[in-house]
Formats: sequence, structure tokens, C-alpha cells
Amino acid sequence: EVQLQQSGPEVGRPGSSVKISCKASGYTFTDYVMNWVKQSPGQGLEWIGYIDPEYGRTDYAEKFKKKATLTADTSSNTAYIQLSSLTSEDTATYFCARDGYGTYWGQGTLVTVSS
Amino acid sequence: DVVMTQTPVSLSVSLGGQTSISCRSSQSLVHSNGNTYLYWYLQKPGQSLQLLIYKVSNRFSGVPDRFSGSGSGTDFTLKISRVEPEDLGVYYCYQGIHYPYTFGAGTKLELK
Repeated sequence: EVQLQQSGPEVGRPGSSVKISCKASGYTFTDYVMNWVKQSPGQGLEWIGYIDPEYGRTDYAEKFKKKATLTADTSSNTAYIQLSSLTSEDTATYFCARDGYGTYWGQGTLVTVSS
Repeated sequence: DVVMTQTPVSLSVSLGGQTSISCRSSQSLVHSNGNTYLYWYLQKPGQSLQLLIYKVSNRFSGVPDRFSGSGSGTDFTLKISRVEPEDLGVYYCYQGIHYPYTFGAGTKLELK
């Protein structure tokens, strides 16, 4: 059974960074890209970008190029997203989603930016 | 960015009834390879998203045949027949061909 298990909720201070994990199981991690999606009340669903775990290749939506960094650890079958220079606009739930179809999704990780 | 316009914003339907959701894209979603990269997802209350339909009309594994997708180019429709309680939630269309990939704003399906 394919599962994407995301790390727990995060609270970050303005200007700081947070790193969320997405641990994959039930399939060969390097066979599929991993997408990241942001869901916020004001902006709805936004595609952040994806990483190809096999080659480490990444692609980002222009809006998130300076905000998000996607990485993957093939030894632990885990994808990561780091969000930097946090502002209130980054308060949202972040999802990982496998492959170009989004066939499987993590449960989401709530990031709250608060001083 | 490609704008995905979903209508209506909300729907009220009776159990066992039928309904449809429209999604219109601001650009054609047809790839040069002939595929059309339009997807439909359902987000049940308090849950993550789940894939229903990929490439316009293909049901994902385990999705009941009560769900059907159709359309071409820039106009797409998701039809739900014989609505059941587990169908309630927010439906999103999504395009996966033009960067950045974009979602519709969602259609909330509620019980009448």
C-alpha cells in the first residue's frame, strides 16, 4: 500500500525557516517525482514544485523559487520541503503528492507563522 | 498563469441524485503528444486530496463508475450520479501541462 506520511505541525517565527518531511512507503521512491502543494484559505491550492528523487532534479513555480527548497533522501525514502524567511503569508497546510497525476497525497502539514 | 474557473462554487444535491461541475481553463490543456492533462480531485472534510479522474476521463483505481469526466481543449465536466454521503466535500480541477500547474478554486458539494 502506497503511503506518504508527513511530519507534524510546525510553528515558525517570522523570518525563520521550517522543514517538513514526507516519508514514502509501498513503492520504489526513485520511480516517481514528488510534488508539493500549498493550501491556504486566501489563495486556495497552489502548486509549489516537484523533485525527481532519482536525479535530484527540481522545478519550481516562479512564485516559490525564493521561498521553497525541495530535497530528497533516497536512503530513507523521504522528501523534504524547506520554507525560508517565513511571513504570515506562509501560514498554510502543505501537502506532498506523488507523481504528475497526484495519485497519492500525504495527510498535510500545518505550518503556522507566529511570533 | 493558466486560470482554472470552476462553476458553481457550491452545489446542493439529494442523495441518489445527479450533478455536474464545470471547469474551464484559460488555455488549451492539450499537449503536443495528444494527451490532455486535466485532473479532478476530491477533498473530503478534514482530509487530504484524492485523485478521482486523470487526463479528462480516466477513473483512478477504486473510483466508482458514478464518477465520469468529459471535455476537451478548455472545457471540462465532472459528473456524479447516484450521489452517496461519501461524495460530499470539495472538488477541484487541476491542469498539469502549463507551468505553474494550477488548480480551480473548488466546488463544494453538500447535501440538500
